[in-house]
Amino acid sequence: DAGVIQSPRHEVTEMGQEVTLRCKPISGHDYLFWYRQTMMRGLELLIYFNNNVPIDDSGMPEDRFSAKMPNASFSTLKIQPSEPRDSAVYFCASSGQQGVSYNEQFFGPGTRLTVL
Amino acid sequence: AQSVAQPEDQVNVAEGNPLTVKCTYSVSGNPYLFWYVQYPNRGLQFLLKYITGDNLVKGSYGFEAEFNKSQTSFHLKKPSALVSDSALYFCAVRDIGNTPLVFGKGTRLSVIA
Repeated sequence: DAGVIQSPRHEVTEMGQEVTLRCKPISGHDYLFWYRQTMMRGLELLIYFNNNVPIDDSGMPEDRFSAKMPNASFSTLKIQPSEPRDSAVYFCASSGQQGVSYNEQFFGPGTRLTVL
Repeated sequence: AQSVAQPEDQVNVAEGNPLTVKCTYSVSGNPYLFWYVQYPNRGLQFLLKYITGDNLVKGSYGFEAEFNKSQTSFHLKKPSALVSDSALYFCAVRDIGNTPLVFGKGTRLSVIA
């Protein structure tokens, strides 16, 4: 398996522009997570899905952020409009059979977002 | 609520010496504990986990971790550090019935030749 795939790996945009980050989870995994990593705040959970349904989005910073999972093999995280403080590395992770609580999460390589 | 504390932002160790990266946790039930490593410009990679059973857990790259219920700790250890072990290490916990993982702030390990 190719692991969790994220695109793009790097994104540079200007303030006010729309940004879309993409994630393909590991095949067969039924949980998908979006995290944001910054030096100041560390690793923050933004939202997670189970069987394509959003379960907890309490970590989404504000209404400018939205996430979707239209099918089991694809998810997007959108920021509109983007702001410089959104600059961070965004990670997608997936795990399987989470009803068995000890399954580890597998992380993608991340998307480094820079908003100028 | 579950939480994880990594009391050291930075750990420095000489190559060949043993290393320890500390982690303490707080959960309401029995914990499921994890260690991840992050190399520069990479995602987090799973190292090892404690579920139940033997308190000493062995994982990837020669790492091991010791679960101590009375001290609510899950310290990461390696008998002999390598320069290539230099990275950011994260401890994480999941309580039974709760998802997803809760991560600590990370500890940067620097192994000096």
